[in-house]
Amino acid sequence: EVQLVESGGGLVQPGGSLRVSCAGSGFTFSSYWMSWVRQAPGKGLEWVANIKQDGDEKYYVDSVKGRFTISRDNAKNSLYLQMNSLRAEDTAVYYCARVPGYSSGWKNFDYWGQGTLVTVSS
Amino acid sequence: DIQMTQSPSTLSASVGDRVTITCRASQSISTWLAWYQQKPGKAPKLLIYKASSLESGVPSRFSGSGSGTEFTLTISSLQPDDFATYYCQQYNSYAMWTFGQGTKVEIK
Repeated sequence: EVQLVESGGGLVQPGGSLRVSCAGSGFTFSSYWMSWVRQAPGKGLEWVANIKQDGDEKYYVDSVKGRFTISRDNAKNSLYLQMNSLRAEDTAVYYCARVPGYSSGWKNFDYWGQGTLVTVSS
Repeated sequence: DIQMTQSPSTLSASVGDRVTITCRASQSISTWLAWYQQKPGKAPKLLIYKASSLESGVPSRFSGSGSGTEFTLTISSLQPDDFATYYCQQYNSYAMWTFGQGTKVEIK
């Protein structure tokens, strides 16, 4: 069974840093692009970042460029999001999601974690 | 950047109704469009990918259509389990993906 489990959320002050993690199981983690998607309280979904299977390609939404870094450790089947210079508007539930791509007929986001809440407040 | 605009933002319907949600892209995305269903407190669930392909396990009352800039999600006969918020998402390039703002389907 495919599972994605996020961890590391919490309360952080504006300007602070936090790293959230996502542990994958039940599939060959190293074969998939992975993504972070966030959802502010009561708001819609926002794509945050993508990372290629080998970590060589990374892409970000404009609002987090230069502040957030997506990374992965395929040996540990884990995805990370390092968040620096956090702002109140970064407050959201952060989901990791799997990107099946070509091998699945070009599906997108077929599995999601349960999310981890990041609150930026003083 | 590609903007995605969904309409309506809220939809009131009854069980058994045919429901259509529209999603427009600010530029052509071919068929690189997915639809998700989200219920309160839960992660989104993939319904449709590549504009019209039904995800495994999703009831056949859900269907998607469109290409280029105009897309629709149709629920042929609304069921009680379908009251939720629906999002479209373009994935034309790995460098930038965007979601629509969502459509909440409410009980009339």
